[in-house]
Amino acid sequence: KQEVTQIPAALSVPEGENLVLNCSFTDSAIYNLQWFRQDPGKGLTSLLLIQSSQREQTSGRLNASLDKSSGRSTLYIAASQPGDSATYLCAVSKGGATNKLIFGTGTLLAVQP
Amino acid sequence: NAGVTQTPKFRVLKTGQSMTLLCAQDMNHEYMYWYRQDPGMGLRLIHYSVGEGTTAKGEVPDGYNVSRLKKQNFLLGLESAAPSQTSVYFCASKGTEAFFGQGTRLTVV
Repeated sequence: KQEVTQIPAALSVPEGENLVLNCSFTDSAIYNLQWFRQDPGKGLTSLLLIQSSQREQTSGRLNASLDKSSGRSTLYIAASQPGDSATYLCAVSKGGATNKLIFGTGTLLAVQP
Repeated sequence: NAGVTQTPKFRVLKTGQSMTLLCAQDMNHEYMYWYRQDPGMGLRLIHYSVGEGTTAKGEVPDGYNVSRLKKQNFLLGLESAAPSQTSVYFCASKGTEAFFGQGTRLTVV
């Protein structure tokens, strides 16, 4: 059974700092991995999708990497801003008949002004 | 560019009442999912559908039913609501990438 873990569970950093969020998964046979952001009381917003054949994806100040063989992904946020404060979730999909997403429990990020 | 739309956004039910949550997507996705999100439990899959006319059970299906009569709509029903079903419910649709609705906050008293 696929298990997804995110460390740390919570992180507080001063504005301007670069930071890394970690996601690990137990079954390396994934189809893709997706990073989401969730603001309090809101839905999940897709940030980046990495296909299993890719090593990384970039969008603005965000860079996500994938090391499938070791079961790890990282989300790098450059020059953090208070507006980056949110919960960040990673989810893996095995594709196939159900195409289900298996979620980690998230990292709560607070960027202090 | 609506994406995934959930209705209603908020609802309060009395124990034993029934209701239906509606999820609509405009991306022509085959796969649709209903999750619930509770503090400390993360997102848990209730039911899902791999195409029009199909449904299947997820991790926590008890007390819920679903239907997918049209490809763009996925309905989640609570036949007899219980306080344990107080939660935030999210619908998602997925092609390669998954997109989520804004959620329905349900309180059962």
